[in-house]
Amino acid sequence: DGGITQSPKYLFRKEGQNVTLSCEQNLNHDAMYWYRQDPGQGLRLIYYSQIVNDFQKGDIAEGYSVSREKKESFPLTVTSAQKNPTAFYLCASSIITGFNQPQHFGDGTRLSIL
Amino acid sequence: DAKTTQPPSMDCAEGRAANLPCNHSTISGNEYVYWYRQIHSQGPQYIIHGLKNNETNEMASLIITEDRKSSTLILPHATLRDTAVYYCIVRVYPQTSYDKVIFGPGTSLSVIP
Repeated sequence: DGGITQSPKYLFRKEGQNVTLSCEQNLNHDAMYWYRQDPGQGLRLIYYSQIVNDFQKGDIAEGYSVSREKKESFPLTVTSAQKNPTAFYLCASSIITGFNQPQHFGDGTRLSIL
Repeated sequence: DAKTTQPPSMDCAEGRAANLPCNHSTISGNEYVYWYRQIHSQGPQYIIHGLKNNETNEMASLIITEDRKSSTLILPHATLRDTAVYYCIVRVYPQTSYDKVIFGPGTSLSVIP
């Protein structure tokens, strides 16, 4: 079945450590997104990518980095510069941005600080 | 994108139809209405979207009023697994360079045995 796979489901970070969240999709979607969701709140866009080897900052990109070396993969690194990383991280993809196509989401990674 | 208003919570008896309303009185002509839901600790799940005609798929039906200022998501036979937060959003062909999804507080639907 096609879908978006995020791993791990739970992740713990030590102070000063970088961690990488995986996102893989087999939907052949061009666009991929990373969102952050805090308890009781909506989604905030971190980074997005419309094509391979290209990505753009969203609303809260500071302390995060991404890469898009393959169409199906869009990993997110939470760096030590992100001072409040505890959150639920969601990866999404869509066929083409701007054509009113829905975004499809993975099941998320919950990141906590040790 | 236009703002939407939804009731914060609703209950529905198992097996009955769940009708979730959404107001979007400032919607413009090129904005679509989308519905997503999020079950606790999972990612949002796309349900359905429409522009002005009623839409139906295997999950739900979407009824949009003629003036497009409100819509109703209908789950025809609610089950306990439909307990989730339901988000109604409107999205336009993006005027910016990206196409982010913005969720409001949504409606917390509880399906009761």
